[in-house]
Amino acid sequence: GAVVSQHPSWVICKSGTSVKIECRSLDFQATTMFWYRQFPKQSLMLMATSNEGSKATYEQGVEKDKFLINHASLTLSTLTVTSAHPEDSSFYICSARDLVRGAGNTIYFGEGSWLTVV
Amino acid sequence: QKEVEQNSGPLSVPEGAIASLNCTYSDRGSQSFFWYRQYSGKSPELIMSIYSNGDKEDGRFTAQLNKASQYVSLLIRDSQPSDSATYLCAVRDNAGNMLTFGGGTRLMVKP
Repeated sequence: GAVVSQHPSWVICKSGTSVKIECRSLDFQATTMFWYRQFPKQSLMLMATSNEGSKATYEQGVEKDKFLINHASLTLSTLTVTSAHPEDSSFYICSARDLVRGAGNTIYFGEGSWLTVV
Repeated sequence: QKEVEQNSGPLSVPEGAIASLNCTYSDRGSQSFFWYRQYSGKSPELIMSIYSNGDKEDGRFTAQLNKASQYVSLLIRDSQPSDSATYLCAVRDNAGNMLTFGGGTRLMVKP
């Protein structure tokens, strides 16, 4: 079964509103989680690295004030898309590394969240 | 900037044939390499991981790594239509956390 869970799987929102996506590690603690975005027929692009108890690290070109990341616990990171616009419509995927299982080499992905901004 | 390159395809093979997927990477210090399969509209799922030069086999899948040439490949034997998907090559940084993905190769296995 899934060890990293995302919620919601699908969300449609109106332009200008904010949407929150949750990423949970279900049976392990993740001090670091990663948020990716994937547009149709393109590869995953890393948006930011979410660090438990500290500020997220954003990749070049990703607006930190638009994509708010909160990693308040060892099992939960949230991504909030603020003032969403149609161009923000995409598939958002989180991942987390299990430092214990598989000699610490296993990175699990969430199921992904489809965001459509209308 | 670290780069991971893949041929976007589509790579079309007949059912039962061997599919060969290739990937090159720019960071010579990279130590961990992964192949993910992604079906349309779904999240990636891990197929293979490889850390040492040579071949690693798991069922119908064989990963090959050549660090000197900065090249990693995935062979799929006895390809099935259900193998039709996009295959993503990923390289993990030396800190062990961040994955850099290639653009993916779309594989089509025709019955």
